[in-house]
Amino acid sequence: SAVISQKPSRDICQRGTSLTIQCQVDSQVTMMFWYRQQPGQSLTLIATANQGSEATYESGFVIDKFPISRPNLTFSTLTVSNMSPEDSSIYLCSVELGSQETQYFGPGTRLLVL
Amino acid sequence: QKEVEQDPGPLSVPEGAIVSLNCTYSNSAFQYFMWYRQYSRKGPELLMYTYSSGNKEDGRFTAQVDKSSKYISLFIRDSQPSDSATYLCAMRRVDSSYKLIFGSGTRLLVRP
Repeated sequence: SAVISQKPSRDICQRGTSLTIQCQVDSQVTMMFWYRQQPGQSLTLIATANQGSEATYESGFVIDKFPISRPNLTFSTLTVSNMSPEDSSIYLCSVELGSQETQYFGPGTRLLVL
Repeated sequence: QKEVEQDPGPLSVPEGAIVSLNCTYSNSAFQYFMWYRQYSRKGPELLMYTYSSGNKEDGRFTAQVDKSSKYISLFIRDSQPSDSATYLCAMRRVDSSYKLIFGSGTRLLVRP
């Protein structure tokens, strides 16, 4: 497995502002993913972030709203832009290790937008 | 219709009971199956991973996959209060897509 950390662990933000969430992994990984978990719901993939290429976004998510950076093999950021209360959610990063067909998750960032 | 269906619960059992958690799916392209445990205010923790029909055992946990019925289960033996959490099933296709599709999660409460 991998040790994955996220910053911040939680935040309360005002409508219209932006928040950048950081994800750090203790080993080099090719594939990193960002998920959203809305209250009482399951996980939904936002985008896949590969080092050295543009992030690939899932249907319903756009780069202008959720820009992602992947500067190296151990780090990624997700920005939630121009936030509204509907963006209140838990944001999780995950990684896929080597040839394993599964993913390991960070602790999540709990975001509340007022 | 959702691709993955999971009873949200909550499921309440006494300590020591055998717990059965289940998911059904509609897409026969799903070939890899996972169970995650998520404690309140924590990220999902991988419990079991399997890619073939049949049973896979790890301690008190057994994952069962029936691809012909498109049905997967997680059994927890001798359940403990520390097993109280939300259990999420997840699956992915056999092609190059890395996307995991999650069930909605089942809340489990094990009563002392």
